[in-house]
Amino acid sequence: DAGITQSPRYKITETGRQVTLMCHQTWSHSYMFWYRQDLGHGLRLIYYSAAADITDKGEVPDGYVVSRSKTENFPLTLESATRSQTSVYFCASSEAGRGHNSPLHFGNGTRLTVT
Amino acid sequence: AQSVTQLDSQVPVFEEAPVELRCNYSSSVSVYLFWYVQYPNQGLQLLLKYLSGSTLVESINGFEAEFNKSQTSFHLRKPSVHISDTAEYFCAVRAGGFKTIFGAGTRLFVKA
Repeated sequence: DAGITQSPRYKITETGRQVTLMCHQTWSHSYMFWYRQDLGHGLRLIYYSAAADITDKGEVPDGYVVSRSKTENFPLTLESATRSQTSVYFCASSEAGRGHNSPLHFGNGTRLTVT
Repeated sequence: AQSVTQLDSQVPVFEEAPVELRCNYSSSVSVYLFWYVQYPNQGLQLLLKYLSGSTLVESINGFEAEFNKSQTSFHLRKPSVHISDTAEYFCAVRAGGFKTIFGAGTRLFVKA
């Protein structure tokens, strides 16, 4: 089915471990984003990408790494997980609309717990 | 830089009553404004958007929002809510690029 898929849905990891969250979209949208959702903060942008091989930092990039070798995939890696990275992570994509007016399409999220 | 403030973290309301969820934004350039809805254990879904033209925009399920440039607001309203409207609602702004900035969210509780 067309859409945006995140995996895994749930992940528990230990402090210091590396973990990668996957995101795959079937729309061929140019733009992709990673947000984290925390109570009281809404969604905060971690990283975004305008196209394959083009990525940039958002509001809260520290401790995260992204790559975009293919248009449809945008994995997020926590290089050395910390408890403060316990959160729900959402991947989103949008078309390259004229004037950047296209809305975001979200995956169902990955709930990550760092112990 | 732009920012979004949702003035109420939680809004309890009885079924069939009207509701208003408030959103104010700040930006030095023209903006696109969005409301998204999130049901439990799901991602966000677009509810409605303001891009240009008429300042009053509507969704297919009875919500509406009015863009007020002078007050930099984009409040969401519904004249009669249903139990199924219980969800978290996020106001978002996009200005001068393709990054979207979200408010902290308003949790709407509809009581029978």
